[in-house]
Amino acid sequence: GAGVSQSPSNKVTEKGKDVELRCDPISGHTALYWYRQSLGQGLEFLIYFQGNSAPDKSGLPSDRFSAERTGGSVSTLTIQRTQQEDSAVYLCASSRDYGYTFGSGTRLTVV
Amino acid sequence: KNQVEQSPQSLIILEGKNCTLQCNYTVSPFSNLRWYKQDTGRGPVSLTIMTFSENTKSNGRYTATLDADTKQSSLHITASQLSDSASYICVVSEYDYKLSFGAGTTVTVRA
Repeated sequence: GAGVSQSPSNKVTEKGKDVELRCDPISGHTALYWYRQSLGQGLEFLIYFQGNSAPDKSGLPSDRFSAERTGGSVSTLTIQRTQQEDSAVYLCASSRDYGYTFGSGTRLTVV
Repeated sequence: KNQVEQSPQSLIILEGKNCTLQCNYTVSPFSNLRWYKQDTGRGPVSLTIMTFSENTKSNGRYTATLDADTKQSSLHITASQLSDSASYICVVSEYDYKLSFGAGTTVTVRA
């Protein structure tokens, strides 16, 4: 597609459940990023992929968070045993050179 | 401590008026600075990107300035329109993939 696609756009889940968020980057963009945006806060870096490898995963807040990328394309962010503090908008971005493009995000609400 | 500080946190302006948003950063080393516009419920969209050697960049009615010596940037919106109502985010890049985000300035344009 022409842009970065994220799914689902909204997700409501019960505390303790696992969730999986998906990001389809722009074709040809080798770099992919996950960010988290909490209410009233700036974007928080989670993880960066170059191809299928993640040189920097320092932003993942706990071992409940994991991400993978396959075929140098689609990425999934998995949150296990969700907690209420995980509620946020999860944004994915892809880039080639300096041109970052963000998706519209997945709004996750943990109840 | 956030390395990118934006001010004001929010502002309201009348349609047709100009406004200027500020961004101060402490990120070092510095690679580039970007301004993004984020509409409610959407991902951020790039407005401008400047490297340390550039001190001004325009995109239509948006003009960004950069003073790499004082580590300050501004975004000037000329002849505001209702569609300019959004959050404007200053993003400073330490390395190509390491982005530091400001918390944003929420601009509301009223008729």
